[in-house]
Amino acid sequence: DAKTTQPTSMDCAEGRAANLPCNHSTISGNEYVYWYRQIHSQGPQYIIHGLKNNETNEMASLIITEDRKSSTLILPHATLRDTAVYYCIVRSYNTDKLIFGTGTRLQVFP
Amino acid sequence: DTGVSQNPRHKITKRGQNVTFRCDPISEHNRLYWYRQTLGQGPEFLTYFQNEAQLEKSRLLSDRFSAERPKGSFSTLEIQRTEQGDSAMYLCASSGGAFATNEKLFFGSGTQLSVL
Repeated sequence: DAKTTQPTSMDCAEGRAANLPCNHSTISGNEYVYWYRQIHSQGPQYIIHGLKNNETNEMASLIITEDRKSSTLILPHATLRDTAVYYCIVRSYNTDKLIFGTGTRLQVFP
Repeated sequence: DTGVSQNPRHKITKRGQNVTFRCDPISEHNRLYWYRQTLGQGPEFLTYFQNEAQLEKSRLLSDRFSAERPKGSFSTLEIQRTEQGDSAMYLCASSGGAFATNEKLFFGSGTQLSVL
């Protein structure tokens, strides 16, 4: 699976949009981009995933660049409960497992 | 609660003892995964099952580790002769559906192991 690069940490003011970048420059055509988050003392939680089109659900939006070498997870109105570690993962279509990196620690402040 | 359940939540043991963790996946999920997580790191893949078959094991899974899923439902992870380096959070996840692609993994809250 392709490796991903994420900033170690980010801050965001409550109520503002949180934009979390991810670089996956070696991604191949059959690999999906997944985002999970992990709140302290809990297991990772699925957020969203996509192949090449932008995706939106009730939690977030995923913007994938046209060349698919990077993506951005957008939390439109961050709350204190969004404070967590966010993992960007590239997953091959024929791979069952997820390979996690170290993620981005997002701190939402009042 | 229909989520992934892990027991116990916390386990403290002395070096050299054996420990066993249990994971109950979401009902009817055919895939079950074990991960290990140490402080400040992302979860590391250990092994996974499709139904009762163990399909992949990581190099991290030494001979002291064994996982089973005898009836394709719950799973156990046993660590024999524990070492201090085994101290970590052990996470279980499950997923379902006919194809792995596009399937979400649902994680439990983990078992925190401390080896003294």
